[in-house]
Amino acid sequence: EADIYQTPRYLVIGTGKKITLECSQTMGHDKMYWYQQDPGMELHLIHYSYGVNSTEKGDLSSESTVSRIRTEHFPLTLESARPSHTSQYLCASSPPGYSTNTGELFFGEGSRLTVL
Amino acid sequence: DAKTTQPPSMDCAEGRAANLPCNHSTISGNEYVYWYRQIHSQGPQYIIHGLKNNETNEMASLIITEDRKSSTLILPHATLRDTAVYYCIVWRNQGGKLIFGQGTELSVKP
Repeated sequence: EADIYQTPRYLVIGTGKKITLECSQTMGHDKMYWYQQDPGMELHLIHYSYGVNSTEKGDLSSESTVSRIRTEHFPLTLESARPSHTSQYLCASSPPGYSTNTGELFFGEGSRLTVL
Repeated sequence: DAKTTQPPSMDCAEGRAANLPCNHSTISGNEYVYWYRQIHSQGPQYIIHGLKNNETNEMASLIITEDRKSSTLILPHATLRDTAVYYCIVWRNQGGKLIFGQGTELSVKP
């Protein structure tokens, strides 16, 4: 069982609200990622982090922001949610760079966001 | 990171071996081949990875051609629970971003 947790699992909110999706892992992994996936569509990398105080944008442009103040915590924030942000957001982490399997990502169960 | 090509869908009879192909003709010498699967809309699950040699674990076997331009994931005895989207990804260890393509949608039928 992977020790990576996302909350909330499901969230329905109105347009204009600020929301934060939480992601925590207890494996001591340096690298963490956020992917966005619409139903039946591909996963798109929107943010990643190589460690504390490191954040980078992924391949898909996103209006969300992330922070990495602690190794185990990688929250994603939308300042003003819109219906176009309705999607599933998946958080993941991977082992340290000295490992031979840094491509082995551990995923959380996802947060399904619906913006009305 | 090198791109991969996979068939969009495949069927397999329950109890038979499922052989999922992947082409990665532009793979570099230091890039690994990783396989993941995603059941429904759950988070993807790591299956196996390899560099040059064939690999086997409790979930699957990975066969990589000698020129490393293609590989095959083998599920030896497919069950209905193996129905999922399977992703083949090439990855440069200790660097890069893991990019998922469209994958192969495997349907295991009774």
